[in-house]
Amino acid sequence: ETGVTQSPTHLIKTRGQQVTLRCSSQSGHNTVSWYQQALGQGPQFIFQYYREEENGRGNFPPRFSGLQFPNYSSELNVNALELDDSALYLCASSNPGTQTTNSPLHFGNGTRLTVT
Amino acid sequence: KQEVTQIPAALSVPEGENLVLNCSFTDSAIYNLQWFRQDPGKGLTSLLLIQSSQREQTSGRLNASLDKSSGRSTLYIAASQPGDSATYLCAVSGTGKLIFGQGTTLQVKP
Repeated sequence: ETGVTQSPTHLIKTRGQQVTLRCSSQSGHNTVSWYQQALGQGPQFIFQYYREEENGRGNFPPRFSGLQFPNYSSELNVNALELDDSALYLCASSNPGTQTTNSPLHFGNGTRLTVT
Repeated sequence: KQEVTQIPAALSVPEGENLVLNCSFTDSAIYNLQWFRQDPGKGLTSLLLIQSSQREQTSGRLNASLDKSSGRSTLYIAASQPGDSATYLCAVSGTGKLIFGQGTTLQVKP
């Protein structure tokens, strides 16, 4: 069973640039969620995708956008990068309804984004 | 709005001690509560998941309890080891998302 994989592991961008982060969900999982974790903080929910459609969004501006592909992999895109976007970006996968079952959410190791 | 708080923010104990990490939440309407472990610069590893109808879950030296009525959960670690050093995060499940606390950073000294 393949776990959640994210790429790249580290990334350095300049303010104003755009970035794309990628996530491959765990085998058999068709729901992907993205979280932003600033240094010393708990992760914050960005959005969730289910069967290629956005299915819930946290308090993030529209310059944060995403995609989910037919194979359930996902991308997080951030436009017009700001210094405060520097964080660890985590992807998690699950099956529909697993939030109400005994199946835990599976997280990847994250992408560390630094904006200078 | 659901808020999750973890106390203490940091904890240092000698090896072998039993310890308790605390998590509180403001809205009792949750599906479940999860405890995660995070090593520096890494992702999250799920430790225990407690359904809203359950009171506790156990895995090895870990025991997590849930009291929905008071909005509290505890993670009990028995006979702590240096390898337990990490940040421990609790998260409650709302509609389609997890809401996390800020974590407790644990250091177990040999």
